[in-house]
Amino acid sequence: GQNIDQPTEMTATEGAIVQINCTYQTSGFNGLFWYQQHAGEAPTFLSYNVLDGLEEKGRFSSFLSRSKGYSYLLLKELQMKDSASYLCAVRGLSGYSTLTFGKGTMLLVSP
Amino acid sequence: GAVVSQHPSWVICKSGTSVKIECRSLDFQATTMFWYRQFPKQSLMLMATSNEGSKATYEQGVEKDKFLINHASLTLSTLTVTSAHPEDSSFYICSAVQGAVEAFFGQGTRLTVV
Repeated sequence: GQNIDQPTEMTATEGAIVQINCTYQTSGFNGLFWYQQHAGEAPTFLSYNVLDGLEEKGRFSSFLSRSKGYSYLLLKELQMKDSASYLCAVRGLSGYSTLTFGKGTMLLVSP
Repeated sequence: GAVVSQHPSWVICKSGTSVKIECRSLDFQATTMFWYRQFPKQSLMLMATSNEGSKATYEQGVEKDKFLINHASLTLSTLTVTSAHPEDSSFYICSAVQGAVEAFFGQGTRLTVV
């Protein structure tokens, strides 16, 4: 089975840096995704890691350690519009595209 | 990036009626689409995998006779909630995969059964 854990809520201030952690225990692993979801909207793709290490994409970076079953999403230079839920999702081996989502971390950015 | 369009964005229906939700991949062909349900402050839960030209694969606990999925073409999958009840009220989201990596999501459909 799949078990994905991430903090429920986090707060940060505008301009700061925040790290959202995700740990997973899966029967198979074929990639980890991070999505951003604003309330009432569909998720939007942020990043994908399948090998260990850091992937950087502008203000967002994502890190993966497969041996530790651990990932984090790093958001720099926070903006108010970054207030959203951030979903960690793991793709297992059963169905190459099937994603299992964590419950999401609600990030609130304050002035 | 690829575009997935979902319609309608929201719908209110009476208990006992059926509602159809469409999911279209606008600029790519999707042999596989996924249907998720999301309750307030909860994660996305995969309901079923929709395969073009064949029967959908349902996740454990999802009633296939209640949630009818049809994937008639490479760009369209539909989810029909039959005999809807208030407990079916939720946010339904589809996704399609382009290539082997990214999943693109539709805008979601807010279903309210009264």
